[in-house]
Amino acid sequence: SSELTQDPAVSVALGQTVRITCQGDSLRSYYASWYQQKPGQAPVLVIYGKNNRPSGIPDRFSGSSSGNTASLTITGAQAEDEADYYCNSRDSSGNPWVFGGGTKLTVL
Amino acid sequence: QVQLVESGGGVVQPGGSLRLSCAASGFTFSSYGMHWVRQAPGKGLEWVAFIRYDGSNKYYADSVKGRFTISRDNSKNTLYLQMNSLRAEDTAVYYCARADIVVQEAFDIWGQGTMVTVSS
Repeated sequence: SSELTQDPAVSVALGQTVRITCQGDSLRSYYASWYQQKPGQAPVLVIYGKNNRPSGIPDRFSGSSSGNTASLTITGAQAEDEADYYCNSRDSSGNPWVFGGGTKLTVL
Repeated sequence: QVQLVESGGGVVQPGGSLRLSCAASGFTFSSYGMHWVRQAPGKGLEWVAFIRYDGSNKYYADSVKGRFTISRDNSKNTLYLQMNSLRAEDTAVYYCARADIVVQEAFDIWGQGTMVTVSS
């Protein structure tokens, strides 16, 4: 079955830039979407498609992709960005949709 | 406003059944595909099932295939998940989520979730 692989934890100093990555073969064919989840809350879509932000998502969040790797970049991380971040995508083998294992972002 | 509200969670014994509901409001429910996603305590997100906007196609994760059934009633703006033969490993918060109408990979609106505990 296909997988999307994320680093379990990443940290960033307040106001600095951080990149969270997601790797998987399916990303060569499909876009990744990114979700932010804070403790006790439902996930929230922050990036989808080529590099689209839903209404209300700050422009410090951006997405990119190269080969089998998709990236979520937060430029000027804020304390409120501390959360778990998940990528997901379609897949042509195994389950038709798949999530990465998640990255816990700590803002120092 | 656009909203999804899940209900129907609870405690059930192994081998038991439960039906979850997801009430949609604030958008044209019948135009959107819908997903169920679950999250075991302290774990990551796991996609469970998807149903097309008109109910014509349904897809399931291997882990639930043959035990769970996704359905919808567009006249009631409601999504369902019938869960049979429940196992301890099905214990999780279950979220319903709307499929973005253009970017099929994206789940653009999520409910608050409903907890399912499978335990004797």
